[in-house]
Amino acid sequence: GDSVTQMEGPVTLSEEAFLTINCTYTATGYPSLFWYVQYPGEGLQLLLKATKADDKGSNKGFEATYRKETTSFHLEKGSVQVSDSAVYFCALPNAGNMLTFGGGTRLMVKP
Amino acid sequence: DAGVIQSPRHEVTEMGQEVTLRCKPISGHDYLFWYRQTMMRGLELLIYFNNNVPIDDSGMPEDRFSAKMPNASFSTLKIQPSEPRDSAVYFCASSFSGGHYEQYFGPGTRLTVT
Repeated sequence: GDSVTQMEGPVTLSEEAFLTINCTYTATGYPSLFWYVQYPGEGLQLLLKATKADDKGSNKGFEATYRKETTSFHLEKGSVQVSDSAVYFCALPNAGNMLTFGGGTRLMVKP
Repeated sequence: DAGVIQSPRHEVTEMGQEVTLRCKPISGHDYLFWYRQTMMRGLELLIYFNNNVPIDDSGMPEDRFSAKMPNASFSTLKIQPSEPRDSAVYFCASSFSGGHYEQYFGPGTRLTVT
């Protein structure tokens, strides 16, 4: 079945460093792809999405490009802040409006 | 919109007691999902509903767990009897079938069973 694989964490960076969190997927066709973020003590919230191949999703300085050639949807940010410390989940749709989530990558940003 | 509402936010109970978690989805959404999150097992889908009908409950750990959705604006997840290994954060999420699969999560209920 369709699945996503994302890099294991934790990822520890200093403030203003460049961030990449890798996500690759296996799917039939070209589904929408999502990044969700979970801040401490909160539920998951949609960070960005791309609905078709070659689309770029962006929000809050984060970007991810839907690359069908490499079946990837890597999350990037040019300059992270302490407030970006959270767990990030890559996801793709499944049957019945379900989402298949990756295992999550914890990001810790130090001042 | 108020978003997905869950109650209680925190629940502490003793082993063997019945626990009921509640969820109010976003108005107009026709899918509702219950998840469980632990450090050991990560995020797990327990059950989901479409138009108030349970579609897939294969993630429900055992018969001690049950979920209902009596109407479009309310769902419950019940554990009876509760056990310490049920301690986790339980999330409810909802989505709209015409909305590109985006799910909206509630703040979660942190359950501790002693």
